[in-house]
Amino acid sequence: DAGITQSPRHKVTETGTPVTLRCHQTENHRYMYWYRQDPGHGLRLIHYSYGVKDTDKGEVSDGYSVSRSKTEDFLLTLESATSSQTSVYFCAISRQGDTIYFGEGSWLTVV
Amino acid sequence: AQTVTQSQPEMSVQEAETVTLSCTYDTSENNYYLFWYKQPPSRQMILVIRQEAYKQQNATENRFSVNFQKAAKSFSLKISDSQLGDTAMYFCAFMKHVKRDDKIIFGKGTRLHILP
Repeated sequence: DAGITQSPRHKVTETGTPVTLRCHQTENHRYMYWYRQDPGHGLRLIHYSYGVKDTDKGEVSDGYSVSRSKTEDFLLTLESATSSQTSVYFCAISRQGDTIYFGEGSWLTVV
Repeated sequence: AQTVTQSQPEMSVQEAETVTLSCTYDTSENNYYLFWYKQPPSRQMILVIRQEAYKQQNATENRFSVNFQKAAKSFSLKISDSQLGDTAMYFCAFMKHVKRDDKIIFGKGTRLHILP
């Protein structure tokens, strides 16, 4: 199993509050990604990173920001959570952009 | 833009049978990767098999094999001697082999039920 840890694994939060999801890897892989998975939409890319302080937007980046100050950590922040951001969030890593391995997912419910 | 299409939303087969999941994709790229991921009820995304487009030989991993038809842009997954543990959602995925544009694109999935 790829050494990817997501935290928290489950969270319930109120609308309008900020939320940060953390992805930690022990593989020293360069590439890191955040996806969300929703019924009928499959997996959609939110943000990704090619290295420390090198990030870019995916197809559903509105309402999300990311930071990567260390190779091993990739943080996803919802500045002001909305109900539409209720989802399962997956972190993924890739050594050189050829094969992607996923974390176990973080279940976020915004009430 | 690249697209990945899985035309079978749901399938059911008896244990020990062979089942084939279909996937087609659209791209103008020549170098790329194709993947099948399995997502069991635990929601963990597990890499099943990987194919590099420049390799003509079809990838195999134990009971899992693919039929890669590059000209037809088809990438089907065959599961032989299916087991109850194969029950899961299966996603076909595509990734361009282009630096800084190597985001993985997923199909919407096929839900596979293996019946005892």
